[in-house]
Amino acid sequence: GEDVEQSLFLSVREGDSSVINCTYTDSSSTYLYWYKQEPGAGLQLLTYIFSNMDMKQDQRLTVLLNKKDKHLSLRIADTQTGDSAIYFCAESKQSSYKLIFGSGTRLLVRP
Amino acid sequence: DAGVIQSPRHEVTEMGQEVTLRCKPISGHNSLFWYRQTMMRGLELLIYFNNNVPIDDSGMPEDRFSAKMPNASFSTLKIQPSEPRDSAVYFCASTMGRTNSPLHFGNGTRLTVT
Repeated sequence: GEDVEQSLFLSVREGDSSVINCTYTDSSSTYLYWYKQEPGAGLQLLTYIFSNMDMKQDQRLTVLLNKKDKHLSLRIADTQTGDSAIYFCAESKQSSYKLIFGSGTRLLVRP
Repeated sequence: DAGVIQSPRHEVTEMGQEVTLRCKPISGHNSLFWYRQTMMRGLELLIYFNNNVPIDDSGMPEDRFSAKMPNASFSTLKIQPSEPRDSAVYFCASTMGRTNSPLHFGNGTRLTVT
């Protein structure tokens, strides 16, 4: 079946690193994504990783994928107040354009 | 690039009324998706189109919901009659339709049915 789970809330201090975790159940998932949603806006793609990779780094963002455990994480280095938002993990299969989203993790960055 | 454009941004209507939500995808994108977001259920895929043809409408809650895509630059999601439980934010998203093409979301329509 298709299920993506995330913790609901994370609070960090400005300047610290944030780690947002996600687990998924579908082992045939091909791509895994991280989206960011700011208040009153749609979802914005932050980064994605192909299932044959185990790590991807993009500036302050690091994505780690443990395919064996079906665990995905997003690390944000030097977290800023502007990073406060809801972060969604999503999976898709190569044969489908359909994305299955997690419930989102609300990140609060304290000054 | 104007992005995905949705209208209206907010809609307040009374139970029983017809509601039409509109979406203009990014030019050149050939896949379009309608999602609904609520606190209780998160993001739910309602329907998606590829080359203007509905591919998967299994997420449409019931017959009161219908969606059309008459051409590559316009789609509507209609609820008739609307009910209070339809209150949510409705997002439209589009993509090139190739593997790994990211979804681009509009800013959503916040629907309140009283």
